[in-house]
Amino acid sequence: EAGVAQSPRYKIIEKRQSVAFWCNPISGHATLYWYQQILGQGPKLLIQFQNNGVVDDSQLPKDRFSAERLKGVDSTLKIQPAKLEDSAVYLCASSLDLPGQGSGELFFGEGSRLTVL
Amino acid sequence: AQKITQTQPGMFVQEKEAVTLDCTYDTSDPSYGLFWYKQPSSGEMIFLIYQGSYDQQNATEGRYSLNFQKARKSANLVISASQLGDSAMYFCAMAGSARQLTFGSGTQLTVLP
Repeated sequence: EAGVAQSPRYKIIEKRQSVAFWCNPISGHATLYWYQQILGQGPKLLIQFQNNGVVDDSQLPKDRFSAERLKGVDSTLKIQPAKLEDSAVYLCASSLDLPGQGSGELFFGEGSRLTVL
Repeated sequence: AQKITQTQPGMFVQEKEAVTLDCTYDTSDPSYGLFWYKQPSSGEMIFLIYQGSYDQQNATEGRYSLNFQKARKSANLVISASQLGDSAMYFCAMAGSARQLTFGSGTQLTVLP
């Protein structure tokens, strides 16, 4: 079974530029998450999708971050314009479970490491 | 709101010895799950073990066991017979009814030869 795929693995941009990250979850997983992990910290949830609808985006900085999940499969996370403090690893995860069901185990991709100069 | 606290930023253990990584949690959800993930230097998050809040017995997966004390709101990870490959960052996490994982700040484990 293929895992969660993310690209690019690494991206370096200058502040005020834009960047986009792509995620392809495990086939059949209804729930998709984007997490931000700043160096030395635990991952922080940015947005949760169920199929192609947003379940929770309360921690997404909407003035600069946007995310979509078209057709309930792939997802993109965009940052525009980027700030220095956006330097982090962006982790995509998917889950077979819907809210209230199962254990809630998440399967993570390898992450996209962003450096903003 | 959910909160996970890991009070040990770093831990050292001798190869082949056991080590306990601490985790305490707080939640208002009556039903929840507790997880431990391993993150090597390569960056991927590797699932280790899961404990449901209504599970009567402590979870075990090979060399990993979860010491779940519900009244104390603790979910410590025990790694037996440590190996050099166990050196990594370890995160405790919780999922409530919304099935969103909330992570602690992590513990960096170093296994010494």
